[in-house]
Amino acid sequence: QLVLTQSPSASASLGASVKLTCTLSSGHSNFAIAWHQQQPEKGPRYLMKLNNDGSHSKGDGIPDRFSGSISGADRYLTISSLQSEDEADYYCQTWGTGRVFGGGTKLTVL
Amino acid sequence: DVQLVESGGGLVQPGGSLRLSCAASGFTFSSYEMNWVRQAPGKGLEWVSYISYSGSTIYYADSVKGRFTISRDNAKNSLYLQMNSLRAEDTAVYYCAREMTTSYFDSWGQGTLVTVSS
Repeated sequence: QLVLTQSPSASASLGASVKLTCTLSSGHSNFAIAWHQQQPEKGPRYLMKLNNDGSHSKGDGIPDRFSGSISGADRYLTISSLQSEDEADYYCQTWGTGRVFGGGTKLTVL
Repeated sequence: DVQLVESGGGLVQPGGSLRLSCAASGFTFSSYEMNWVRQAPGKGLEWVSYISYSGSTIYYADSVKGRFTISRDNAKNSLYLQMNSLRAEDTAVYYCAREMTTSYFDSWGQGTLVTVSS
């Protein structure tokens, strides 16, 4: 079964960097994913597609501070030079017959 | 600019029905697959249903299979979700989302709230 696992929470200081993790279930380590951001009281926003070779393509207007990388079954979203507006929920998403979301990571900017 | 605008949400009693709509603009609607995604209060995103370009291929999450029906009208640039036999656990904000070539969602609407309660 295709499952995405995310840590429920993460925190980092203003101006610092943070790396969020999304782990693909066993047997699905070659899947691509997408990252989405949801700021408080807003709808989700597409950030980037992260391919299984580590390349990524970002949505319109997504700052260079957002980048993606992979290692085995892990898919990462790194946000550098953290700003207050980066405090949000971050979801990974992939696709098979159905579409699948991770449980989300709530990022707190200290 | 791509715009997706959901409507049709509201308060409905358990066992009732509701039809959601998503009006699309700023792109060629018939060239994109579409989805419905929901978010219960305080919870994460949950995929609900997918429809292909022409509507010939449809998928549902197990939680709504047999109760919800997705459809589209490419002439009206609109996506729909007919929700029957509604339960309290269907209470959520419902989003429509555009899908890029059978993969990721690249555009989202602002959502419409459905509340199932007596």
